[in-house]
Amino acid sequence: EAQVTQNPRYLITVTGKKLTVTCSQNMNHEYMSWYRQDPGLGLRQIYYSMNVEVTDKGDVPEGYKVSRKEKRNFPLILESPSPNQTSLYFCASSLWGRFTDTQYFGPGTRLTVL
Amino acid sequence: GENVEQHPSTLSVQEGDSAVIKCTYSDSASNYFPWYKQELGKRPQLIIDIRSNVGEKKDQRIAVTLNKTAKHFSLHITETQPEDSAVYFCAASEGYQKVTFGTGTKLQVIP
Repeated sequence: EAQVTQNPRYLITVTGKKLTVTCSQNMNHEYMSWYRQDPGLGLRQIYYSMNVEVTDKGDVPEGYKVSRKEKRNFPLILESPSPNQTSLYFCASSLWGRFTDTQYFGPGTRLTVL
Repeated sequence: GENVEQHPSTLSVQEGDSAVIKCTYSDSASNYFPWYKQELGKRPQLIIDIRSNVGEKKDQRIAVTLNKTAKHFSLHITETQPEDSAVYFCAASEGYQKVTFGTGTKLQVIP
């Protein structure tokens, strides 16, 4: 089944404790992206990647890192999480990142930073 | 950068009536405008999109219109049904890679 998976789905952590949220897709997609969703603010793009080893900043990249060492995986890294990073995170992918390519979203990761 | 404003934030309609959600964008270079539907507790799903060289696109009960001069685009849902109840997001992008979303509209269809 074609899908985007994220792990963990729920995470409660403390300020400053490094964490990684994994994202994996099995559709051989070139383009992958991370978003955070907050009430009243909608979805905001954190980082995106057009290909292996190619990443670029979205609208809210501060406090986050990403890597794209292989096509199927695009982990989101929080080196020193803070409470303002408490949010619902979505990973997404599409074939090439073109207009005609549907963007598929993962199921979401709800992160709470205490 | 791009700024997308979406209105209204909440919308209640009677079943069978039409619903209209409006978005404006700031960057004239934006050329792709998707709409997503997000049901409670679920992931966003693309429902319709439009490119800047098209003024209107329709898919069954949903349609999107784009006015490039005024920098606004709208989602129209006709003959609304209870299963249309969800949060709807508009978005704008240049070249699709970097995407800016609106803040969402919670649509409630009252049976």
